[in-house]
Amino acid sequence: NAGVTQTPKFQVLKTGQSMTLQCAQDMNHEYMSWYRQDPGMGLRLIHYSVGAGITDQGEVPNGYNVSRSTTEDFPLRLLSAAPSQTSVYFCASSRGPLSYEQYFGPGTRLTVT
Amino acid sequence: KNEVEQSPQNLTAQEGEFITINCSYSVGISALHWLQQHPGGGIVSLFMLSSGKKKHGRLIATINIQEKHSSLHITASHPRDSAVYICAVNTGETSGSRLTFGEGTQLTVNP
Repeated sequence: NAGVTQTPKFQVLKTGQSMTLQCAQDMNHEYMSWYRQDPGMGLRLIHYSVGAGITDQGEVPNGYNVSRSTTEDFPLRLLSAAPSQTSVYFCASSRGPLSYEQYFGPGTRLTVT
Repeated sequence: KNEVEQSPQNLTAQEGEFITINCSYSVGISALHWLQQHPGGGIVSLFMLSSGKKKHGRLIATINIQEKHSSLHITASHPRDSAVYICAVNTGETSGSRLTFGEGTQLTVNP
């Protein structure tokens, strides 16, 4: 199993550009989530999904959209990139709700200039 | 005040030393996670516990639900243990269930 994969690993955007961060898992996990990690702060939840077709907002959802059309994929879309979205983004999945072991992707380092 | 507080923020040890990292939280939880983030950035799950104690190799995690406190211990520390250790709690809400993370403890083990 590949586990949780994320692409790209690195990305530089100009302010106002849009892009999609890809996340996929091959473990048939129902629960998937997106986090951002910033210096001096803990990981913060952006959006999450408890199954295909079901998504909800996390702590810091503004400026991001998600969809979950399949169990495997959970892309994160930046609609109009801003410098405040410069961060490292992690996708995670688990078999069930958050009392199950979490599996993290390798992360995407995004810089918005 | 953060809902999850870790101490210390930074820890330097000599190889072979016994290490303790602490996590305190202020909300009711259904589970607590200990994660490890290596210098390359990848995050792996070490433990998920809701009571008592768990042990994997040289790592031991304990939790005291009444005191809202957990500890991660590393016995016979090694330079390869150098990483950021992150505590996260699941507040267990059925809707909007989410993990709240501490800021992490940077551990450096010198040979």
